[in-house]
Amino acid sequence: EVQLVESGGGPVKPGGSLRLSCSTSGFTLSGAWMSWVRQAPGKGLEWLGRMRSEIDGGTADYPAPVKDRFIISRDESRNMLFLHINNLRTEDTAVYYCTKDGRGYTFGSYRYFYYMDVWGKGTTVTVSS
Amino acid sequence: SSELTQPPSVSVSPGQTAKITCSGDALPNTYVYWYQHKPGQAPLLIVYKDNETPPGIPERFSGSTSGTVVTLTITGVQTEDEADYYCQSADSSIPSVVFGGGTRLTVL
Repeated sequence: EVQLVESGGGPVKPGGSLRLSCSTSGFTLSGAWMSWVRQAPGKGLEWLGRMRSEIDGGTADYPAPVKDRFIISRDESRNMLFLHINNLRTEDTAVYYCTKDGRGYTFGSYRYFYYMDVWGKGTTVTVSS
Repeated sequence: SSELTQPPSVSVSPGQTAKITCSGDALPNTYVYWYQHKPGQAPLLIVYKDNETPPGIPERFSGSTSGTVVTLTITGVQTEDEADYYCQSADSSIPSVVFGGGTRLTVL
């Protein structure tokens, strides 16, 4: 069974840094595409970026709003995914989820698909002075 | 991916049919996925590739598309279906994943 368990959240002051962890089990982390998603209080889901599988390059992609402050990394020996957040702002207060993603191209039509297949329960980050 | 627009809220009585829409200019060219999110729980994928349901998802959940609008339909709504529902799409040309703003389904 695929399981994802996030940790590392808590209170932090503006300007600080934080590393969130996602412990994975039930699959080979190096072979998976993984994302981080957050939900701020009263807001919707926001995609924060993803890490490609090793065979697809092992690099990370980020949306423009976070690309300068967020870094996704992976430790395959420990089956862990990380999200490093620098220069934290009050608007980073949110529940942070890691996800195992499904992706590819549909046979025949060759239409691209990408979705969040399995989610963890999240870890809460509170940024406040 | 372009923006995805959902109604903020939908209300239905138990046993009725709920329809939640998601609109976006790029939707004719991309698949849409739907997630159910209950307070304190992990979001759950309930529809993928517009209209397919993962194993274990009740048959009352279904998806459909018509041009720039995709619809999540819950037939015979149950009280346990009360949750936030999000649509999502992705673009292969620019690495991006976009969520709709979410729809709060209230079962009266």
